Amino acid sequence: DIQMTQSPSSLSASVGDRVTITCRASQGINNYLAWYQQKPGKVPKLLIYAASTLQPGVPSRFGGSGSGTDFTLTISTLLPEDVATYYCQKYSSAPWTFGQGTKVEIK
Amino acid sequence: EVQLVESGGGLVQPGGSLRLSCAASGFTFSSYWMNWVRQAPGKGLEWVANIKQDGSATHCVDSLKGRFTISRDNAKNSLYLQMSSLRAEDTAVYYCARRGWNYYDGMDVWGQGTTVTVSS
Repeated sequence: DIQMTQSPSSLSASVGDRVTITCRASQGINNYLAWYQQKPGKVPKLLIYAASTLQPGVPSRFGGSGSGTDFTLTISTLLPEDVATYYCQKYSSAPWTFGQGTKVEIK
Repeated sequence: EVQLVESGGGLVQPGGSLRLSCAASGFTFSSYWMNWVRQAPGKGLEWVANIKQDGSATHCVDSLKGRFTISRDNAKNSLYLQMSSLRAEDTAVYYCARRGWNYYDGMDVWGQGTTVTVSS
C-alpha cells in the first residue's frame, strides 16, 4: 500500500505568517490528493482536491500544489480561525490513506 | 440541504457486533461513491471503506477486512457499516462521507459522526 507522510506533525506560527505543510506519497498518485481541515471538536472539511483545486467556498488564502509524490498545502496569511489539524489524503486507489495530520497553532 | 446523518453507535462488548447507518438527504444518493472514515480518541483520521454508486464494488482497508463490511440501499438512501468481532481499538467516531460527483473530487460532504465504544 502507498504510505502518506506529512510534515511537520505540528507547527506554531504568528498571525499573518505564511504556513506550508508537506505531504509525500511513497509512490506516484497522479494528483489524486486532497487536503482536509479539522477544527477542534468539529467534522473534517474538504479544502482542496486534485492536489490544487480549491473546494468552492474555501478562502483563497489556502492553496495546494505538487504532483506525483510531493504535495504542499500553503496558507498564505495565517488567521486565528485557521487553528486546526490538516490532513492530506490520497485517493488514486484503495486504500484511501490519510497522512498523520499537522496541527497548526497560533504563536 | 445536503446532509448525512449517522446512527447506530454505542457501547459494545469486545467480540460483539454493531451496524452503523448513514441516512442521506438533499442529493441523489445513488449517484455517489460513499465512504466510512473513523477517528479514534485523540488520533488522526483513518479511511475505513468505500462503495460504488450501485454497490457493485467495495473496498476496505486491509486491517479490517473480514470484520467490517460496507453496503448500501439506494432505495432507502442509506449507507451501512457492519462491524463484527469488535476490539477495543475499534473505539472511534465513525463518519460517513460522500465522494464528489467527479472522479477527481475529494470527500465533500461529511456526517456529524457516531461514536462506537468497545469496552467490557
